[in-house]
Amino acid sequence: DSGVTQTPKHLITATGQRVTLRCSPRSGDLSVYWYQQSLDQGLQFLIQYYNGEERAKGNILERFSAQQFPDLHSELNLSSLELGDSALYFCASSVDGSGSDTQYFGPGTRLTVL
Amino acid sequence: AQSVTQLDSQVPVFEEAPVELRCNYSSSVSVYLFWYVQYPNQGLQLLLKYLSGSTLVKGINGFEAEFNKSQTSFHLRKPSVHISDTAEYFCAVSAASYDKVIFGPGTSLSVIP
Repeated sequence: DSGVTQTPKHLITATGQRVTLRCSPRSGDLSVYWYQQSLDQGLQFLIQYYNGEERAKGNILERFSAQQFPDLHSELNLSSLELGDSALYFCASSVDGSGSDTQYFGPGTRLTVL
Repeated sequence: AQSVTQLDSQVPVFEEAPVELRCNYSSSVSVYLFWYVQYPNQGLQLLLKYLSGSTLVKGINGFEAEFNKSQTSFHLRKPSVHISDTAEYFCAVSAASYDKVIFGPGTSLSVIP
């Protein structure tokens, strides 16, 4: 158990819908990362937050947005969903968000778009 | 910008045999290097990381990796694998600054009984 929690574990929805994925980092970790993992694209970095502020941005679509709240939990919002958005979404956390920091991954949310 | 290459997408190996998973990176600045493992239906977890100092890094579960700056490589090795090592292995790199970590495409290790 990494100490990072993600809800829900599974999510099934239809095209065009909007969903919110939630992540609670390990106690004491200030930085949160979001990743998308699919068979064809592999593990793709989406976005990183540090203490409520956006730190780095990766291949995140405009239809996707995220935020980190004052209690340090984070939410990833996916809107206008398409079939290709079906994937495993991982959240990870680290102490200070630096390049040398170990990232601790949650168990993931499996999103299926029908 | 940094990039990571894992040349082998799949590596089958017999139980108790040695294994090497290859990782090469490119970067114009000093880097930190990581190996993460993902067991079936789980998130990733850190196996080991190189930040500085000794180029031979020992990690969990009997794995080790060697940083080779001249060859820009960070290959992962284990002298004797077990069935439980069957998993996806990801090499990752980040610049020696506040920067995002870049993950490689992964190598699927299958240990054959």
